[in-house]
Amino acid sequence: QSALTQPASVSGSPGQSITISCTGTSSDIGGYNYVSWYQHHPDKAPKLMIYDVSYRPSGVSNRFSGSKSGNTASLTISGLQAEDEADYYCSSYTSSSTVYVFGTGTKVTVL
Amino acid sequence: EVQLVESGGGLVKPGLSLRLSCTASRFTFGDYAMSWFRQAPGKGLEWVGFIRRESYGGTPEYAASVKGRFSISRDDSKSIAYLQMNSLKTEDTAVYFCTRDSTGGAFDIWGQGTMVTVSS
Repeated sequence: QSALTQPASVSGSPGQSITISCTGTSSDIGGYNYVSWYQHHPDKAPKLMIYDVSYRPSGVSNRFSGSKSGNTASLTISGLQAEDEADYYCSSYTSSSTVYVFGTGTKVTVL
Repeated sequence: EVQLVESGGGLVKPGLSLRLSCTASRFTFGDYAMSWFRQAPGKGLEWVGFIRRESYGGTPEYAASVKGRFSISRDDSKSIAYLQMNSLKTEDTAVYFCTRDSTGGAFDIWGQGTMVTVSS
C-alpha cells in the first residue's frame, strides 16, 4: 500500500489562504469518507484537525476546512497565521490489509 | 484531561526485542480502538498497527512493514495498550506514538511519543 501523495511544501503570507492536496485511489480516499488531517509541530504530539473529510473536532479553529473530490482530499487553511506553520498529514481508511494509509506530509511555511 | 503516555523506549541492538506501553487516563479505554504510529528521523508519520476494542473482537491489524515482527495487545483492566517489537532492525528507529481511534481513523488523542533506537 503506497502512501497518499501530498506536496512537499506549501507557503503563504499571513492572512492568505492555502490548500494542501492529498491524492489517493479508489481503494482509500475515493472509496470512503474516512479522511482525516493532522497538524504536527516538531517535538509535539500530532493534533487532529479534520475528520470524516470535513468535520472539525471541538476546539479546532474554523479557519481549517476539509473537502474531497474523487480520489483527492484537500485541507484549506484560511487567514493564515504564524502558529499554523507546521507539518500536515492526511490519512484515510483503506480497503487494503493495511487498514489505514497516511500521506507523505506537507510542510507549511508562513512567509 | 484525557491523556496517553507511552513508555518503554530506549536503545536496543538489532535482532532483539522491546515492548512499549501506552497508558491511558480519564476516558473509558475499553470503548476505543488503539493505534500505534512511528516517525523515523527526518521522515513522515507511519501507521504501525491497531487493535480493535473487545466488543469488535479485540483483534489487531498491522502495516506490511512490521507484520510478523510486531504485535499489539491490550489490557482493558489496566487501560494499557502494548506494542511488542521483535527482530528489530535499524530502520525501526523512530519515535513511537500511541493514539486513540475515535471513529474510522480519526486519531483524536496522541501521546507525546517514546524514542526507540536500534543500533549496534
